[in-house]
Amino acid sequence: DAGVIQSPRHEVTEMGQEVTLRCKPISGHNSLFWYRQTMMRGLELLIYFNNNVPIDDSGMPEDRFSAKMPNASFSTLKIQPSEPRDSAVYFCASSPGLNEKLFFGSGTQLSVL
Amino acid sequence: GQSLEQPSEVTAVEGAIVQINCTYQTSGFYGLSWYQQHDGGAPTFLSYNALDGLEETGRFSSFLSRSDSYGYLLLQELQMKDSASYFCAVRNYGQNFVFGPGTRLSVLP
Repeated sequence: DAGVIQSPRHEVTEMGQEVTLRCKPISGHNSLFWYRQTMMRGLELLIYFNNNVPIDDSGMPEDRFSAKMPNASFSTLKIQPSEPRDSAVYFCASSPGLNEKLFFGSGTQLSVL
Repeated sequence: GQSLEQPSEVTAVEGAIVQINCTYQTSGFYGLSWYQQHDGGAPTFLSYNALDGLEETGRFSSFLSRSDSYGYLLLQELQMKDSASYFCAVRNYGQNFVFGPGTRLSVLP
C-alpha cells in the first residue's frame, strides 16, 4: 500500500493567492483528517470527514479555509486568500474505522510570503 | 472540551529508560494513543491503550489510568534514533483525534 499521499510536498506562494492542498487516503479507510502543525500551536485538527461527509469543521480557522471530499479517494483543503500566518505544515491522515490509529501523509510545507 | 498536557522536553542517555507523561481532561474518549515524529517527518503510530493498564510493544510500553486521567509512554534501552517528538492523543466520542503539545526527547551518547 502506498500510504496516504499528499501533494504538493512544498508550496511557496504570495499573500492573497489561492492555495489548494491535495490528499489521497489509504484505500478502504473511511475517516480522513486535516491537521495543521506549527511550533506555536502544535498539531491542530482543522476538519475531519467520515464516509466523505464533513463531521467536525470547528477547527477551520476562518472562512478563508474550505475542505472537500468529493469521493472516498480524494480530498482537498483550499485557502483563499492565503496570508503569511497560514504558513505551516499541513498533514492529511486517514484511519480505517472507529478507534483506529491514524496514518499520516508526508505533509505539505506551505510558505506564504 | 478537551486538553492534554505533556512535558515539553526530556533528555536521557543511550541505553537508559525514559518515561513521558500525559495528563488529560476530556469528557469521554475511546482510548489514549502515542505517536512519534522525527524532525521533518510525519507522526507515526506507536501505541494505543483502550483499557487501563500496560501495553507493551518491543522497547516501548504505554500505560493508561482513566481514574487518574493519566497515561505514560515508557521507552527502554534508548537508542540515538529515538530522538524525536512524542505526542499523546485521544480519540473522543466525537470521533476526532486531539493531540497533546508534544515532548521533545533528546538521547545523548
